[in-house]
Amino acid sequence: EPEVTQTPSHQVTQMGQEVILRCVPISNHLYFYWYRQILGQKVEFLVSFYNNEISEKSEIFDDQFSVERPDGSNFTLKIRSTKLEDSAMYFCASSEVGGAYGYTFGSGTRLTVV
Amino acid sequence: GQQLNQSPQSMFIQEGEDVSMNCTSSSIFNTWLWYKQDPGEGPVLLIALYKAGELTSNGRLTAQFGITRKDSFLNISASIPSDVGIYFCAGMPNSGGGADGLTFGKGTHLIIQP
Repeated sequence: EPEVTQTPSHQVTQMGQEVILRCVPISNHLYFYWYRQILGQKVEFLVSFYNNEISEKSEIFDDQFSVERPDGSNFTLKIRSTKLEDSAMYFCASSEVGGAYGYTFGSGTRLTVV
Repeated sequence: GQQLNQSPQSMFIQEGEDVSMNCTSSSIFNTWLWYKQDPGEGPVLLIALYKAGELTSNGRLTAQFGITRKDSFLNISASIPSDVGIYFCAGMPNSGGGADGLTFGKGTHLIIQP
């Protein structure tokens, strides 16, 4: 079964450093998303991306966040200057045609800011 | 923003028992989704509901989309040990295409006692 692949599985970074989280969406999917989940809390939407531009973003997705699709297969989330409160699981998701059909999540990257 | 109220927060049941959990919202969602999350993994889609009043089954799982489009429930019949995990409801504002972010509930932690 096709999977959304995320790397690394765990990243530790110092406060103030930049991090890039990487995702390879399912190959024929056109819509891409990032979510985060602070430990023990619910999954929260960050941003969606379609046709090489941001489609929708939440209030969490402020100026320190950016997304990019640098080539035909990768989708990245960059956090410019990490804060302690950025520590969370970050999930990438993709869907084929938009809407809920085939909306598939990756296994996540655990980001720990120290 | 939109919020989903999911209950119960946790359930302690015996193997073989039936399980019921639900989500309510103060605003309308046009698509309801139910996900299961195992520790250290991303959410995995169980059931997607697209029409008000729709009742959908997936094996031992049954979910319904409320008539008012402001609620949904998930039932699991004859629970087994691998049902242990956290179950999340999620709502999508639109039913068609588009890069919509999902709004998640806080989850129901299902624990099965031997």
